[in-house]
Amino acid sequence: GAGVSQTPSNKVTEKGKYVELRCDPISGHTALYWYRQSLGQGPEFLIYFQGTGAADDSGLPNDRFFAVRPEGSVSTLKIQRTERGDSAVYLCASSLTGDYTEAFFGQGTRLTVV
Amino acid sequence: QKEVEQDPGPLSVPEGAIVSLNCTYSNSAFQYFMWYRQYSRKGPELLMYTYSSGNKEDGRFTAQVDKSSKYISLFIRDSQPSDSATYLCAMNSDQGAQKLVFGQGTRLTINP
Repeated sequence: GAGVSQTPSNKVTEKGKYVELRCDPISGHTALYWYRQSLGQGPEFLIYFQGTGAADDSGLPNDRFFAVRPEGSVSTLKIQRTERGDSAVYLCASSLTGDYTEAFFGQGTRLTVV
Repeated sequence: QKEVEQDPGPLSVPEGAIVSLNCTYSNSAFQYFMWYRQYSRKGPELLMYTYSSGNKEDGRFTAQVDKSSKYISLFIRDSQPSDSATYLCAMNSDQGAQKLVFGQGTRLTINP
């Protein structure tokens, strides 16, 4: 595709449920990033993949959050036992080489936990 | 205290005005400085990128970095209604660092 695609655009879930958020990066981009943006705040780093491996997961807030990228392309962010505080826009970005000057963000998935 | 501080605004100016947006930071290791524009319900898009101190100009946009003061600025000349968006500063410590630290974002409105 032409850009980074994130699905779904919006997700409403009940507290305690499990959710999966999907990111389709730009074809050929080896680096992939997840960020979380709460209302009125800037994005906060969650995790960075280079290829299939998570090179830096220092931003994941706790063990309820997990992300995978099994074939080095599509990535899924998984959140277990969702809490109301998890409500935010989850942004994905990809770049060709890991250089942020070449990185492109998707439009985000707006997660609401009720 | 946050590593990067940015006045959230909102900032409202008339069309054609010069806009000044600013961030301060506390981590002296930051070397790469970026400005992103984010329209409502869209992802951030990179506007300007500067390494270390100095100025960089691109059309109507000028980015300035003063590392001695830990202060960065973005100037928009001849502002247009289409410039209305949230502007985010972001920075990281080196080329290999994959964690960008963002400011809170400044919401800007240009009034026709």
